Amino acid sequence: QSVLTQPPSVSAAPGQKVTISCSGSSSNMGKNYVSWYQQLPGTAPKLIIHENNNRPSGIPDRFSGSKSGTSATLGITGLQTGDEADYYCGTWDTRLGWVFGGGTELTVL
Amino acid sequence: QITLKESGPTLVKPTQTLTLTCSFSGISLSTSAVGVGWIRQPPGKALEWLALIYWNDDHRYSPFLKSRLTITKDTSKNQVVLTMTNMDPVDTATYFCAHETYGSGSFYAWGQGTLVTVSS
Repeated sequence: QSVLTQPPSVSAAPGQKVTISCSGSSSNMGKNYVSWYQQLPGTAPKLIIHENNNRPSGIPDRFSGSKSGTSATLGITGLQTGDEADYYCGTWDTRLGWVFGGGTELTVL
Repeated sequence: QITLKESGPTLVKPTQTLTLTCSFSGISLSTSAVGVGWIRQPPGKALEWLALIYWNDDHRYSPFLKSRLTITKDTSKNQVVLTMTNMDPVDTATYFCAHETYGSGSFYAWGQGTLVTVSS
C-alpha cells in the first residue's frame, strides 16, 4: 500500500479534460513539493510537473499541477491518445524519504 | 542534456548480493546540489524509492531496506553504485537510477531501467 493515495484509473474522451488526485499527509505533502511523473507503456517515468505546479522545458501547457494542504491534483486538458499512460505523484516524506503514489492509469476512450 | 544508464546482472539467485551501476553524463557529482538515486518498480506495480547520494556524500536510504542497501559514488567516472544484499524473489523489479537536485524533491531525469529477476 502506497503512502500517497491515487485513484487506480481514470478515463475521458479525446479533447476532454481529466484530473488525477493525490492525497498524502502532514509528514509529506503537507510540508514538501509535489511532483508528477508520466510513464508510457514500457518506458521509464518522465517528470511532467515539479514543485507543485511547474512544467519542465518541453512539457506542453495542457499539463498542470496544483496543491492544497495535503492533497495535489494533476490536470490534463485537450486529451490525446498519446497521453495514455500511468501517472505517479511523488514527494519527500520526513520519515520515509521519497514516496510515490500507487499510480493512476489514464485511458483516452 | 542529462542522460543516465543502468547496468548490472539481469538474473541473480536468492541470497546473493546485487550490484548495479548507474553511469551518467550532463551532470557531475562534484557539483553542488547534484544527487543521483535509485528507484525500483516490480512488474505491474508502483514506484519504490531505494536510496540516493548527493555531491557532498550525504546518503539517504529507504528505512524499509536500509539494512540491505549501500550506495556509493565514483565522481571521476560519473558513476553511482547500488548494492543490495540478501536478494529475494520479491526484489524482482526494474531498477531505475535518476537525477535529483537537492531540495527540489523531483527526479528530473531517469535512466531507461534494468530488469533484475531473482530466481534460483
